[in-house]
Amino acid sequence: AQSVTQPDIHITVSEGASLELRCNYSYGATPYLFWYVQSPGQGLQLLLKYFSGDTLVQGIKGFEAEFKRSQSSFNLRKPSVHWSDAAEYFCAVVPPTGFQKLVFGTGTRLLVSP
Amino acid sequence: DAGVIQSPRHEVTEMGQEVTLRCKPISGHNSLFWYRQTMMRGLELLIYFNNNVPIDDSGMPEDRFSAKMPNASFSTLKIQPSEPRDSAVYFCASSSRDRVRSGDIQYFGAGTRLSVL
Repeated sequence: AQSVTQPDIHITVSEGASLELRCNYSYGATPYLFWYVQSPGQGLQLLLKYFSGDTLVQGIKGFEAEFKRSQSSFNLRKPSVHWSDAAEYFCAVVPPTGFQKLVFGTGTRLLVSP
Repeated sequence: DAGVIQSPRHEVTEMGQEVTLRCKPISGHNSLFWYRQTMMRGLELLIYFNNNVPIDDSGMPEDRFSAKMPNASFSTLKIQPSEPRDSAVYFCASSSRDRVRSGDIQYFGAGTRLSVL
């Protein structure tokens, strides 16, 4: 079935440590790929997106993501996590045949320990 | 720009009552989306409009849900009658692309937290 998978429900990282959040998709063709962040009680904010071209994408707040076609993955990374990064992170795609329809993963909740 | 504006931020109602959620998209955007977020089902698209016309309402759970977009600056999502299982956070988002496949950015409102008792 076509889907977006975020295998980690929760991740705890120490402040200052590096972070990688995983995202895999299963579509016949490469969809458009996004990462959103949701802080408690807030809406979703776009961190970065990938349409084509350079497979390493830079986003806001020091985040980056790498598209790997061979692995159908679009993992989110940050070299040094800050306490303010604690939030829920959603990977999302616009499927190859979708009219702007964002399909979200189940989310990964990031906890940052002192 | 003030972004996507949703009202109310919180709504508490009793089962059987009518609930109306409101959304004002970003000025100039011509696509509008309604999402629902629950613990069990995550974020799911309910319906989206393009140029005020509903394009895909396949995510609307049942006939108790209806959505309208009478003009480019306003949309409503109505639940009548409401049920406890409708309790969720409802998000509205807007973007500026047209109907073709697009990766344009969707901007989200802060959401309406609905509790149906």
